[in-house]
Amino acid sequence: DSGVTQTPKHLITATGQRVTLRCSPRSGDLSVYWYQQSLDQGLQFLIQYYNGEERAKGNILERFSAQQFPDLHSELNLSSLELGDSALYFCASSVDGTGGTGNTIYFGEGSWLTVV
Amino acid sequence: SQQGEEDPQALSIQEGENATMNCSYKTSINNLQWYRQNSGRGLVHLILIRSNEREKHSGRLRVTLDTSKKSSSLLITASRAADTASYFCATVPYYSGAGSYQLTFGKGTKLSVIP
Repeated sequence: DSGVTQTPKHLITATGQRVTLRCSPRSGDLSVYWYQQSLDQGLQFLIQYYNGEERAKGNILERFSAQQFPDLHSELNLSSLELGDSALYFCASSVDGTGGTGNTIYFGEGSWLTVV
Repeated sequence: SQQGEEDPQALSIQEGENATMNCSYKTSINNLQWYRQNSGRGLVHLILIRSNEREKHSGRLRVTLDTSKKSSSLLITASRAADTASYFCATVPYYSGAGSYQLTFGKGTKLSVIP
């Protein structure tokens, strides 16, 4: 158990709909990350937050948005869903947000999203 | 975009044998990390090796890094059925930006250890 909690574990929704994925980081971790894992694209970095502020953006679609709240939990909002958005969405956290320190990034179990 | 490329894509070995997986990357890195993923589950951090290190050990795991060849290898010795999983290398760029931490993953090697 990494200590990163994601809900829901599984989600099936229709095209055009909007969903929210929720993440609680490990206790004490200030940085939260979202990654998408799909069969064709592999593991892709979406976005990083540190203590409530956006730190880095990756291959995140404009239809997707995220935020980190004062209690450090984070939500990833996916809207106008398309079939191609079906994927495993990971949340991860680390104590700080800087790659150079080499701190471990801990991943949650992921949220399986199926768009039908 | 994928930075690392693992090789082979799939590997099947008998229990007790050693498993070697390779990773090549394209740009200068600060560090390289290896993760394991059991089928459809979360990613588990295995080991981190910095750009100024050449070899690291952790239990049955041995990681090497050759920055001149932009490649790394993960060796699992005396493999067990429980080692069956996908293994990913992930790189952190040399310049991570102002307080950012992005892992760029390869496509992974699927390891099957046959009892």
